[in-house]
Amino acid sequence: QKEVEQNSGPLSVPEGAIASLNCTYSDRGSQSFFWYRQYSGKSPELIMSIYSNGDKEDGRFTAQLNKASQYVSLLIRDSQPSDSATYLCAVGRGYQKVTFGTGTKLQVIP
Amino acid sequence: DAGVIQSPRHEVTEMGQEVTLRCKPISGHDYLFWYRQTMMRGLELLIYFNNNVPIDDSGMPEDRFSAKMPNASFSTLKIQPSEPRDSAVYFCASSFGTPNTEAFFGQGTRLTVV
Repeated sequence: QKEVEQNSGPLSVPEGAIASLNCTYSDRGSQSFFWYRQYSGKSPELIMSIYSNGDKEDGRFTAQLNKASQYVSLLIRDSQPSDSATYLCAVGRGYQKVTFGTGTKLQVIP
Repeated sequence: DAGVIQSPRHEVTEMGQEVTLRCKPISGHDYLFWYRQTMMRGLELLIYFNNNVPIDDSGMPEDRFSAKMPNASFSTLKIQPSEPRDSAVYFCASSFGTPNTEAFFGQGTRLTVV
């Protein structure tokens, strides 16, 4: 079992719709959770971090964390073509290194 | 701050040659990470440093890979000898405080070994 699992996609959604990206992790002691966005040919950039159960909203982005079920999700409301990218989930614990998932490719269709 | 700076951006080399990748972290950051990204394996952590000291090199694929951080503003990742399977994008990233806070990535070095 991979430490951090994501569906590779591509996930295709029409412009204006809600995109839902999911991530599961195996280490029940994980404490920090991140979503990075990576455009093709570019480096990953952090868009959301979450540390507590529940929802965290930032503009059109909402991160959701459920530690009991060991999953974290990212919702993108009013999806735009500019949101088309690969989204990487990353999970960390204490002073240990962060582990990245392999990413979900999102395509927003105009 | 200019962010994490990596050089070169692209490197094409012949099998068997030595390759050196360079990184300048964000000033004040005390953690530095070297990652490798491929289509097959995604983003893999190779090694990370805290205050210039290597903490975890368990991701370094084999003895052909080595990394150094002689001071707080410079790190190198060396591959000697290089092999075609080393072809990938290598990212350097830095962060402050703990190894699992927000990491800022450089633009990456695309390495092609022919």
